[in-house]
Amino acid sequence: DAKTTQPTSMDCAEGRAANLPCNHSTISGNEYVYWYRQIHSQGPQYIIHGLKNNETNEMASLIITEDRKSSTLILPHATLRDTAVYYCIVTGNTGKLIFGQGTTLQVKP
Amino acid sequence: DAMVIQNPRYQVTQFGKPVTLSCSQTLNHNVMYWYQQKSSQAPKLLFHYYDKDFNNEADTPDNFQSRRPNTSFCFLDIRSPGLGDAAMYLCATRIGGTRGTDTQYFGPGTRLTVL
Repeated sequence: DAKTTQPTSMDCAEGRAANLPCNHSTISGNEYVYWYRQIHSQGPQYIIHGLKNNETNEMASLIITEDRKSSTLILPHATLRDTAVYYCIVTGNTGKLIFGQGTTLQVKP
Repeated sequence: DAMVIQNPRYQVTQFGKPVTLSCSQTLNHNVMYWYQQKSSQAPKLLFHYYDKDFNNEADTPDNFQSRRPNTSFCFLDIRSPGLGDAAMYLCATRIGGTRGTDTQYFGPGTRLTVL
């Protein structure tokens, strides 16, 4: 499974869009990009995933570059409850999730 | 409404005393996972079951065992807990099968304290 690189931490003002980048330059053709988040002392929560097209759901949007070597998770209107660790994970045929250190997003009032 | 349930939420055990953590699911998913998450670290996969097939990660210590008596339940047994085994233990499920359906659903975790 390809590795990912994310910034250690980011801040975002409440009500503004939070854009969380992820690099996955070694991603292979059949690997998906998944995003999970983990609010303090809770289990990880699925956010969104994609293969090559941009995706949107009720929680977020996922923008994947054309070469698939990087992606951005967008939370359109961040709230204080979005403060969490965000994990970008690339999965292969195994279906396993190999968590990196993620990005700690702090949403500030 | 809870889909992946872990009991207990908090468990205290003594050094060397066997302990069992449980996980149940109402999703009828084929795959069940156990992760260990130590303080300020990311979750680390210990092993998983695909139906009845057990798959151990290469670096999971022998001290950790698992049982899956049926589709709904999965147990994590720690035979002789050490102080270094204090962590949050997370259970997750996945439907399995078709690629692109790899979403895992996590339980709230059991926080294990070893005295």
